[in-house]
Amino acid sequence: KQEVTQIPAALSVPEGENLVLNCSFTDSAIYNLQWFRQDPGKGLTSLLLIQSSQREQTSGRLNASLDKSSGRSTLYIAASQPGDSATYLCAVVPSQAAGNKLTFGGGTRVLVKP
Amino acid sequence: DGGITQSPKYLFRKEGQNVTLSCEQNLNHDAMYWYRQDPGQGLRLIYYSQIVNDFQKGDIAEGYSVSREKKESFPLTVTSAQKNPTAFYLCASTLQGPNYGYTFGSGTRLTVV
Repeated sequence: KQEVTQIPAALSVPEGENLVLNCSFTDSAIYNLQWFRQDPGKGLTSLLLIQSSQREQTSGRLNASLDKSSGRSTLYIAASQPGDSATYLCAVVPSQAAGNKLTFGGGTRVLVKP
Repeated sequence: DGGITQSPKYLFRKEGQNVTLSCEQNLNHDAMYWYRQDPGQGLRLIYYSQIVNDFQKGDIAEGYSVSREKKESFPLTVTSAQKNPTAFYLCASTLQGPNYGYTFGSGTRLTVV
């Protein structure tokens, strides 16, 4: 059974520092991996989607890498801002799962201090 | 703008009562999903539907029911059999196939009073 882990569970950085968020998964047989942002009491906002054949995706200050062989993905946020404070979740669609169901990690709660 | 609408934003349920959470999408997505989020536990799948008039149980389906009579709509009923329904409920949708990402709604917070 696929398991997704995000460590650390919480992270605090000063404004301007680069953020590095980690996601690991136990089974490399995945269709894709998606990073989401969640603000308190809100739904999930999709940040980046990486297909299994891709190594990375970029959007503005965000860059996500995928290494299927080692079961890891990393989300980089350059020059962090207080507005980046949120919980970041990664999720995979396992190849063996019916219905393209997402399996989520527990999330990393980020605080960017001014 | 296309998206997913969940209503209501907040819902209060009395003991023994059934309540229904609404989820509507205008993205022309085939598949729809319901997740439950509890503090410190992450998101867990309740039910999902890949096509109209068909749906499948997720990991924690007990005490819940769904219907998919229209492509756009996937309501979730929390029945009195669900012993601990207080949680944040999220609806999501996606196109069929592995190359598409999920879109989520803004959630419904259900509280038992």
